[in-house]
Amino acid sequence: SQTIHQWPATLVQPVGSPLSLECTVEGTSNPNLYWYRQAAGRGLQLLFYSVGIGQISSEVPQNLSASRPQDRQFILSSKKLLLSDSGFYLCAWGDSRNSPLHFGNGTRLTVT
Amino acid sequence: SQQGEEDPQALSIQEGENATMNCSYKTSINNLQWYRQNSGRGLVHLILIRSNEREKHSGRLRVTLDTSKKSSSLLITASRAADTASYFCATDAGGAQKLVFGQGTRLTINP
Repeated sequence: SQTIHQWPATLVQPVGSPLSLECTVEGTSNPNLYWYRQAAGRGLQLLFYSVGIGQISSEVPQNLSASRPQDRQFILSSKKLLLSDSGFYLCAWGDSRNSPLHFGNGTRLTVT
Repeated sequence: SQQGEEDPQALSIQEGENATMNCSYKTSINNLQWYRQNSGRGLVHLILIRSNEREKHSGRLRVTLDTSKKSSSLLITASRAADTASYFCATDAGGAQKLVFGQGTRLTINP
């Protein structure tokens, strides 16, 4: 069966520090991969998606970047965090049209 | 921009009652999906309804889709305390399975 791992679960980082969040998927190949951000009590905002290795599409201009160095690995990064980067970050994978997304358990990032 | 808008934003009912949540969207869609999120956790997929379908059932869940009104509803029958969670609709309007989520309905089931 397919599983998705996302870590760390929580992270507290000072303003100006770098960020690296990692997401890996097991049990499937060539998945579509996604990074969403959720502000407190709000819906999800799509940040990045990838349909293949090295193929990254950005949905929102921001202080973050994403990379897909391997088929089932998706990384969210920042060189210098801002206070506004705080939030709940969710990684997800999907495999085809008209099929659901499968989410990780999320990373709660607090920038202080 | 957010495509789906859920209504109400919050709903509190007694255990055993039915809960109905609504979702409206703006553009043509391939499918509409409903997800559940327990506090501080990831989202769990509940049901997917395609644009050519009008109603779908899964256990105590019933979803309807009216593409002429660009709206959908999620009905949870015989609610249980464990149904307490936030519920989100999401629309798939284009390629690459890019889902656009609404703001969610926070459902509280009182025992």
